Amino acid sequence: GEDVEQSLFLSVREGDSSVINCTYTDSSSTYLYWYKQEPGAGLQLLTYIFSNMDMKQDQRLTVLLNKKDKHLSLRIADTQTGDSAIYFCAERPGNTGKLIFGQGTTLQVKP
Amino acid sequence: NAGVTQTPKFQVLKTGQSMTLQCAQDMNHNSMYWYRQDPGMGLRLIYYSASEGTTDKGEVPNGYNVSRLNKREFSLRLESAAPSQTSVYFCASSEASREYFGPGTRLTVL
Repeated sequence: GEDVEQSLFLSVREGDSSVINCTYTDSSSTYLYWYKQEPGAGLQLLTYIFSNMDMKQDQRLTVLLNKKDKHLSLRIADTQTGDSAIYFCAERPGNTGKLIFGQGTTLQVKP
Repeated sequence: NAGVTQTPKFQVLKTGQSMTLQCAQDMNHNSMYWYRQDPGMGLRLIYYSASEGTTDKGEVPNGYNVSRLNKREFSLRLESAAPSQTSVYFCASSEASREYFGPGTRLTVL
């Protein structure tokens, strides 16, 4: 079946690193995504990783993929108050056009 | 490019009323989607359309109908609104495995 799980809440201090974790079940997923949603807004694609990659880095963002354990993480270095938002992990199972989302992790950044 | 646009932004309905949520994209994408977002549940797929003239059910289609009017437009209809349909509705379109989301419609059913 298709299921994506995330912890619901993470609180960090400004300047620390944040790590948001996600597990997924469909091993046929070709792409895995991280979206950011600020209050009252739509979803913004932050980054994505192809399933044959272990790691992808984009400025302050690092995505790690452990395909064996079906575990995806998003690390935000030097977290800022502007990073406070809900972060969604999503998988796209092979041969479908559909995205399956996790419940979202609310990141709270304290000054 | 406006990207994905949705109307209205906000709507309040009484139980039993009907309404249509509109969505349009100007990126010439084949695939379009309707999701609903409820607290603590992430986004759940209601219906999607892989190309003009085709529509398929997603995870939570009951109580909804859709129309892919042309390549640009994909509408979502609630024939008889229920309080359980109170939610934020997002339309999206995609090409090359990347999804683009609209700003959302916040719907309250009393």
